Order: sequence, then C-alpha cells, then structure tokens
Amino acid sequence: DAMVIQNPRYQVTQFGKPVTLSCSQTLNHNVMYWYQQKSSQAPKLLFHYYDKDFNNEADTPDNFQSRRPNTSFCFLDIRSPGLGDAAMYLCATSRGGQLETQYFGPGTRLLVL
Amino acid sequence: DQQVKQNSPSLSVQEGRISILNCDYTNSMFDYFLWYKKYPAEGPTFLISISSIKDKNEDGRFTVFLNKSAKHLSLHIVPSQPGDSAVYFCAASASGGSGTYKYIFGTGTRLKVLA
Repeated sequence: DAMVIQNPRYQVTQFGKPVTLSCSQTLNHNVMYWYQQKSSQAPKLLFHYYDKDFNNEADTPDNFQSRRPNTSFCFLDIRSPGLGDAAMYLCATSRGGQLETQYFGPGTRLLVL
Repeated sequence: DQQVKQNSPSLSVQEGRISILNCDYTNSMFDYFLWYKKYPAEGPTFLISISSIKDKNEDGRFTVFLNKSAKHLSLHIVPSQPGDSAVYFCAASASGGSGTYKYIFGTGTRLKVLA
C-alpha cells in the first residue's frame, strides 16, 4: 500500500548525460514537490506543482526541469548532470492547504560519475 | 541563509530518559511548524506539528513546544525508546506561491537512543 513511489531507488549517470527520476502517488493529492538533499544538509525544495500549475524556486538551476503529465505522476529531468548534482532526490505530495501534511517517497539517490 | 536551524547534528540518550531536540528559526512570519522523522533508506514521515497560536502540542510520548518570542521550538520525547533512533527534521511552513505552501527544513538532528 505504498502511497508515494519513487523509481528507481538508486540511479547512476554519467557527467553530462540527461537523467529522469520518476515519482507516482496513489493519494490523489493536488500538490507534488521535488526536494534535493545533499549529505548532512536540509532537504531543499526545487519546485512544485499545484495540479498543472508549476512553481519554481528562485534558486533552482535551469539544469533542473519537471513535468507532471497527470495527477499521479511527476518527473524530474536533469538535463546535464554535474558532479555537484549527486544527492538524494525526494518527492512529496499534499492536498495543498497550509495544515496539510506532506507525504514523502523513499527518495532516489543519484550518483554522477 | 538558513532560515530554520538545528544546531545539534547528533544526540545520544539513554533508553527511558527524555530526548530534547531543538530548532531555531529566523523569519517571524512563519506560523506553522512541523517535525519529521527519517529512518535510513526511507522518506521522512510526519511526526507532530504546532501552530503559532499555541505554545504546546502533545501526541503520546511526543510534545512540541513553541516560544515565539525566542523563535525557538523543541521536540520532547519521553520516555525515549530504541525505535526512536532516527534523524529528526524541523520544518516551517511558508507560502509557496499560487496559494500553495512549502516547507523550509532544518539540517536535522540524528538521535540515538541507547538500550
């Protein structure tokens, strides 16, 4: 009964080779978030969707893009991964209100060689 | 600039004793706070929250205290159990634009409860 699913759990890519991480949810939540977490650092929000409305954080590099083709799925595309993009990528969902809890997936750990 | 700070990267506590995890924030506009717990190889899971209209919220062994004037909150776990060993993240809810909300997380505190 997994609610927020991330695939793959581990992803290895080469420097500069585009990579896509995927997230799906069974909660039918309006909002889907992508966070980046580097070792010993706070999870940092990259962007989020409220339904089809995209909200990008001001300091998210242009190298990071996202797509949400339907309510259930959201993708994180890294166009040209650099060594500094190696991190844990967390997907989360919520209904959207301030008091609504965010539910996280297990994360995808990205390694860039 | 880190708006939510957890200054203790780690904490060790004996089983049965109280664990106190601390969190400070800088933005006085924050009015809703949460604690999440994270086990290895799993995503963070919601633990407890508090609104700024309260100074305390309790759920079983977990209590969160909020001191608005000091911009400080703390999570108390009593009694601590070995299964509580995890990384604990403090988060503040902020406007995310377009009527949405986002979390700003601290760096986490790794709690180890010793049997």
